Amino acid sequence: DAEITQSPRHKITETGRQVTLACHQTWNHNNMFWYRQDLGHGLRLIHYSYGVQDTNKGEVSDGYSVSRSNTEDLPLTLESAASSQTSVYFCASMLRRDTEAFFGQGTRLTVV
Amino acid sequence: AQSVSQHNHHVILSEAASLELGCNYSYGGTVNLFWYVQYPGQHLQLLLKYFSGDPLVKGIKGFEAEFIKSKFSFNLRKPSVQWSDTAEYFCAVVSSNTGKLIFGQGTTLQVKP
Repeated sequence: DAEITQSPRHKITETGRQVTLACHQTWNHNNMFWYRQDLGHGLRLIHYSYGVQDTNKGEVSDGYSVSRSNTEDLPLTLESAASSQTSVYFCASMLRRDTEAFFGQGTRLTVV
Repeated sequence: AQSVSQHNHHVILSEAASLELGCNYSYGGTVNLFWYVQYPGQHLQLLLKYFSGDPLVKGIKGFEAEFIKSKFSFNLRKPSVQWSDTAEYFCAVVSSNTGKLIFGQGTTLQVKP
């Protein structure tokens, strides 16, 4: 069955370190999204991509970057981790704008 | 700019009570609308969606939602909630033009047995 997987599921890192969160989908979806979930804020869009070599900034993109070298993967990089980036991160993919999005299981990131 | 607002942040109901969660969006163009549910410790799952046609849509587990274009609203309803409906509920909008999928702040529903 097609799926979307995130790794790692849990990560503890130190302030200032570079961290990369992986997202891999086997749906062959062009559209992929990264969100962070924080209490009281719901899901906020970090970056999104409509296809290979395409990336776009979301609402809270500062301190984050993504790259899309193939259809299946959209890794999220925290250039220099900060305590404010402690959060749960969700990756999602969507075939088209009129279809549902499928979500990964999430990555809980703690920056100490 | 595209945005989604959910009016209720935390709702507590007894079993068999009726539920209505409010959702309003801000965007002038064509949108597709969703309600997602997140059970404790799990990822988001689709409850229902509206793209076009009948503005009253039915989803899984007895949920339904009504799209009122003039009010920019897409409220979620369920006639009789169960303890197993305890979860967080998110309204989401994707613009047909930009393709950005934007979520509301979420509503935590607690159903007391």
